[in-house]
Amino acid sequence: GAGVSQSPSNKVTEKGKDVELRCDPISGHTALYWYRQSLGQGLEFLIYFQGNSAPDKSGLPSDRFSAERTGGSVSTLTIQRTQQEDSAVYLCASSYTSFVQVANSPLHFGNGTRLTVT
Amino acid sequence: RKEVEQDPGPFNVPEGATVAFNCTYSNSASQSFFWYRQDCRKEPKLLMSVYSSGNEDGRFTAQLNRASQYISLLIRDSKLSDSATYLCVVNIESDSWGKLQFGAGTQVVVTP
Repeated sequence: GAGVSQSPSNKVTEKGKDVELRCDPISGHTALYWYRQSLGQGLEFLIYFQGNSAPDKSGLPSDRFSAERTGGSVSTLTIQRTQQEDSAVYLCASSYTSFVQVANSPLHFGNGTRLTVT
Repeated sequence: RKEVEQDPGPFNVPEGATVAFNCTYSNSASQSFFWYRQDCRKEPKLLMSVYSSGNEDGRFTAQLNRASQYISLLIRDSKLSDSATYLCVVNIESDSWGKLQFGAGTQVVVTP
């Protein structure tokens, strides 16, 4: 079946511009997560959604970052006034539930959006 | 100190050999542990969960050492296709996936 779909796959933007990244999770998955990965670094948690609500936004690095999810499906991550340090691969993942102990609820990642801020 | 630390490698392994590497975590209350695999410029994919008694999946064996706060991954009879970065994943606060901490990864290169 279809996996997690992210768009665009690559985005080059000028410093100071706003960007919007999109994630379409696996159908039926209630939980959706945003991570970012910089070169040589581990995945950095940004935010996760259970349904349309975001119980944990603690990973958002600044108020320039925001995310929403509507209809319990597609999510968008918006970065306003982009800075060069925002350059990274932004990964979206979904899972059947948000609880890791549920045996059949692994994280499924999308291919990511590679963001380059010039 | 990072919450989850891994030797970045690379571990250069001849085909057919065994390779093992560890991942240390700082929060003694951590409950859930996983190994993910990430190929170059690809998304991470779950390799296996790590259970307290240790577990095996084919050529892969994962162990948990709570006393010393590390998990390990052993790959037997290495294949060329095992070349990847292996990410250690630990929950640091709860059983929610959203609170998981990813290590920076250990690179494994299997050579002919």
